[in-house]
Amino acid sequence: AQKITQTQPGMFVQEKEAVTLDCTYDTSDQSYGLFWYKQPSSGEMIFLIYQGSYDEQNATEGRYSLNFQKARKSANLVISASQLGDSAMYFCASLYPYTGRRALTFGSGTRLQVQP
Amino acid sequence: EAGVAQSPRYKIIEKRQSVAFWCNPISGHATLYWYQQILGQGPKLLIQFQNNGVVDDSQLPKDRFSAERLKGVDSTLKIQPAKLEDSAVYLCASSLGDRVNEQFFGPGTRLTVL
Repeated sequence: AQKITQTQPGMFVQEKEAVTLDCTYDTSDQSYGLFWYKQPSSGEMIFLIYQGSYDEQNATEGRYSLNFQKARKSANLVISASQLGDSAMYFCASLYPYTGRRALTFGSGTRLQVQP
Repeated sequence: EAGVAQSPRYKIIEKRQSVAFWCNPISGHATLYWYQQILGQGPKLLIQFQNNGVVDDSQLPKDRFSAERLKGVDSTLKIQPAKLEDSAVYLCASSLGDRVNEQFFGPGTRLTVL
């Protein structure tokens, strides 16, 4: 089963602090991709960061980094120096390009609120 | 570069009525996806097209939902007849191919069924 679990329905963080959003996945496949998307209240899904299963280095994109722990099947998103504009829903997703569904399977999301 | 376009942005209908949503993917993108996002949940794939062929429609309720992608570009998703539980945001996304990293999403159509 291609399942994504996000156990934090909501998170609060103070502006300028770092925050970690948790994500675990369930697979026996060797080849897969893990994604994080941001969904502001306006509704659009914004791609943040990608990690391939064979990538040895953790992915980074500006203030976003992905803490990839393959043995634990976790792909946590770290946002450094939080900004008020980071308040949104965050979704973790997986894709199995060779053996499974070749569309994204999403978790239930985490609502992040950044406080001034 | 223009993004994924969707229309309408909002639609309110009564149950048992019909509704159609339209999506225009990013130019050159071969793969098109329709996702359903119920309030409080993550998006769920309804159907995936590669050019004008269906790759995956295993989660599409085929007794009431249909989708087509004529000429491998625009796509239409139809619900007939609508039920209360179809109230959701319908997201269209596209990507260059079906094994690539990034899918680009449109703004979505928010459907309310009364």
